[in-house]
Amino acid sequence: NAGVTQTPKFQVLKTGQSMTLQCAQDMNHNSMYWYRQDPGMGLRLIYYSASEGTTDKGEVPNGYNVSRLNKREFSLRLESAAPSQTSVYFCASSAQEDSPLHFGNGTRLTVT
Amino acid sequence: QKEVEQNSGPLSVPEGAIASLNCTYSDRGSQSFFWYRQYSGKSPELIMFIYSNGDKEDGRFTAQLNKASQYVSLLIRDSQPSDSATYLCAVNTEGRRALTFGSGTRLQVQP
Repeated sequence: NAGVTQTPKFQVLKTGQSMTLQCAQDMNHNSMYWYRQDPGMGLRLIYYSASEGTTDKGEVPNGYNVSRLNKREFSLRLESAAPSQTSVYFCASSAQEDSPLHFGNGTRLTVT
Repeated sequence: QKEVEQNSGPLSVPEGAIASLNCTYSDRGSQSFFWYRQYSGKSPELIMFIYSNGDKEDGRFTAQLNKASQYVSLLIRDSQPSDSATYLCAVNTEGRRALTFGSGTRLQVQP
């Protein structure tokens, strides 16, 4: 029972490069989320998807795009990476919007 | 004012003592409250959630909710060194469809 799986675990990018962070859950959850975590800032919501086929901006969406490919998968794309996007990224899922979140293991991204 | 506020700590308690972690929130319409534990370099893991005023107990953990005063607390009884971690408070905020997190309190349990 994998829960929420994120790939990759680590990534180093140069400024201007692009990449996609992958996330998949096997709990049949409706809602999925992308958060970033920076020292002293806590977890900040980038984008979320309340259900398959819908996505909405969170607190810090600039510089990111998302795709809810199907009920299981929710990807986060950085089109042109910037040093300010250096962070730890967590994908999470929940059965419903107010249900507890289940987190993936995170992706540590460094942009130089 | 931040929507969810926590003292960053570190909160240091001796082994076997009660650790008390506090969280205040600004939205009076908040309905759901969650406590997560995060070890260094790891992802957050759910400890407890509470929806109603009062106390909710689960093993060594007790969550306390006071909606009138807009705070939620987490008590950890018989604290162990393995409880040393950052504890994140999360609240559902009216008008948003995702949880809002506090910045966390770092707890250190001294052997």
